[in-house]
Amino acid sequence: SQTIHQWPATLVQPVGSPLSLECTVEGTSNPNLYWYRQAAGRGLQLLFYSVGIGQISSEVPQNLSASRPQDRQFILSSKKLLLSDSGFYLCAWTIPRGYGGNTIYFGEGSWLTVV
Amino acid sequence: AQTVTQSQPEMSVQEAETVTLSCTYDTSESNYYLFWYKQPPSRQMILVIRQEAYKQQNATENRFSVNFQKAAKSFSLKISDSQLGDTAMYFCAFTSNTGGFKTIFGAGTRLFVKA
Repeated sequence: SQTIHQWPATLVQPVGSPLSLECTVEGTSNPNLYWYRQAAGRGLQLLFYSVGIGQISSEVPQNLSASRPQDRQFILSSKKLLLSDSGFYLCAWTIPRGYGGNTIYFGEGSWLTVV
Repeated sequence: AQTVTQSQPEMSVQEAETVTLSCTYDTSESNYYLFWYKQPPSRQMILVIRQEAYKQQNATENRFSVNFQKAAKSFSLKISDSQLGDTAMYFCAFTSNTGGFKTIFGAGTRLFVKA
């Protein structure tokens, strides 16, 4: 069966420091990968998605970037964090479209507090 | 662009009673998928139920069922025999085979089940 893991689960970072959140998927090949952010008490905002290695699409202009160095690895980064980057970050995956891959599955999430 | 609207920010229900959460969406596509996800206090996103737009029959999963009205672009979730463990944030979501492989979420409805 497929599983998705992301880490760290919680981190507190000072303004201006770098960020790296990592996500890996097991048990499937060539998944579509996604990073969402959930601000406190609000819905999910899609930040980035990737349909293959090195292929990244950005949904909103922001202080963050994403990379996909391997087929099942997705990384969310920032060179200099802002207070507004605080929130709950969720990594997610789907089977590639055309294979019935429409259901999205989520990792455990990462709480980021920028102080 | 597709949109998903959940007009009920918060709802409450007495244990063992039935509650219905509302969701409307907007799309010009004819083939798409709709979902309800549950986010308990742990923040883990859990798939509750899924509906394919080409299916006229409403999806059911144990105590959870949907009322899918394609012409009205409405997709409500009914929870029967509510349990304390149903207390959570509920998100309605939309995806299709086009639209850049994205899943779009509503703002969520916070449901409280009272003992």
